Formats: sequence, C-alpha cells, structure tokens
Amino acid sequence: KQEVTQIPAALSVPEGENLVLNCSFTDSAIYNLQWFRQDPGKGLTSLLLIQSSQREQTSGRLNASLDKSSGRSTLYIAASQPGDSATYLCAVLYSGAGSYQLTFGKGTKLSVIP
Amino acid sequence: NAGVTQTPKFRILKIGQSMTLQCTQDMNHNYMYWYRQDPGMGLKLIYYSVGAGITDKGEVPNGYNVSRSTTEDFPLRLELAAPSQTSVYFCASQGNYGYTFGSGTRLTVV
Repeated sequence: KQEVTQIPAALSVPEGENLVLNCSFTDSAIYNLQWFRQDPGKGLTSLLLIQSSQREQTSGRLNASLDKSSGRSTLYIAASQPGDSATYLCAVLYSGAGSYQLTFGKGTKLSVIP
Repeated sequence: NAGVTQTPKFRILKIGQSMTLQCTQDMNHNYMYWYRQDPGMGLKLIYYSVGAGITDKGEVPNGYNVSRSTTEDFPLRLELAAPSQTSVYFCASQGNYGYTFGSGTRLTVV
C-alpha cells in the first residue's frame, strides 16, 4: 500500500524567505506526483505536476523536484509572501487494485509572517 | 471553463436521512473520484470510476454508493446518514495534466 508522508506538518517563516516542503512516498512505482494548495475552507488547486520520467517542474516562484528512486519530492518556494499561506498537499498517482489511485499526504500548513 | 462542479456547498443532515452529492465535469475525463477530508487525516478515497458504467470501491466506501451513467456526472449517495459521515467531500476528475478538484461539499450529520 502506498503511503505518502509530508514533513513538517506546519511551518512558519518571515516574509521574503525561501523555503522547502518535503514529501516522501513508499512505493517508487508511480506515474506522477502532484502538488496542490488548499486555502482554509476551500478546494484543492493544482500547482505542479511532475511525470515519473521528469526530474522537476517550475511555475513562477515554485519549483518541484522528484527523485523517484529514493521516493522523495520537494516543493521550493522562493521569496515567500503572506499570500502563500495555505496548506500544501503532495499526492502520488500509482497503479493499485487494478486502477489508478491517487494517494495524498496529510499536508504542510504554511504561514508566512509579514 | 467550469471544470468540476459540486453541489450543494453545505448541507446539514439528521441521523438516518439520505442525500445525494452531485458532481459534474465538462472536460470529458473518463476517470472520476470521490474523496472525503477529515481534519488531520488527509484525503481518503471513497469511490472512483474509470468511465461511464464502471465504478469501484476506494479505501472508505462503507455507507456510500455511486453511479456513473454518463461521462459528465458522478453522484455520491449517502444512505442512512451517520455522525461519522460528517466531513468535507471532494469530487475530482483526472486528465492528461493531472487532477482537477471541485470546491467541495461540507456535510454535517446531527
């Protein structure tokens, strides 16, 4: 069974800092890995999708890396802003029970202090 | 671009009542999913569908049912609501560029 772990569970940083969120998964046979953002009381917004054959993806101030062999991904946020405050979720797509399954970590709650 | 639309956004049910959570997507995605999200527990897969007429159980299917008569619609049915079903429910569809989620339905069973 695939398990996804995100560390830390919560993180507080001053505005302007660069930061890294970590995600690890137990079964390296994944199709892709996706990072989401969730604001309080809201749905999930997709940030970055990394296919299993890729090593990283970038969008603006966000950069996500994938090391499939070690079962790790990181989300790097440059020059953090108060508007980045949210919960960040990592999810891996893999083949389980005869179909594709998306398994989520429990998330990292980020607070950026002005 | 509507994406994935869920209704209702909020609902309060009494124990033993039934209801259907609606989910519609306009992206012609074959794969659709229902998740529930509880505080501190992450998202758990309830049911999924790989195409019209095909559904299967996820990790936590007890107390729920689904149907998939069309590509667009994937309703989730709660029969005999219980307090343990108080949660936020998310519907999602899967395309070539990853998953798209609806905005969620917050359900309280009292």
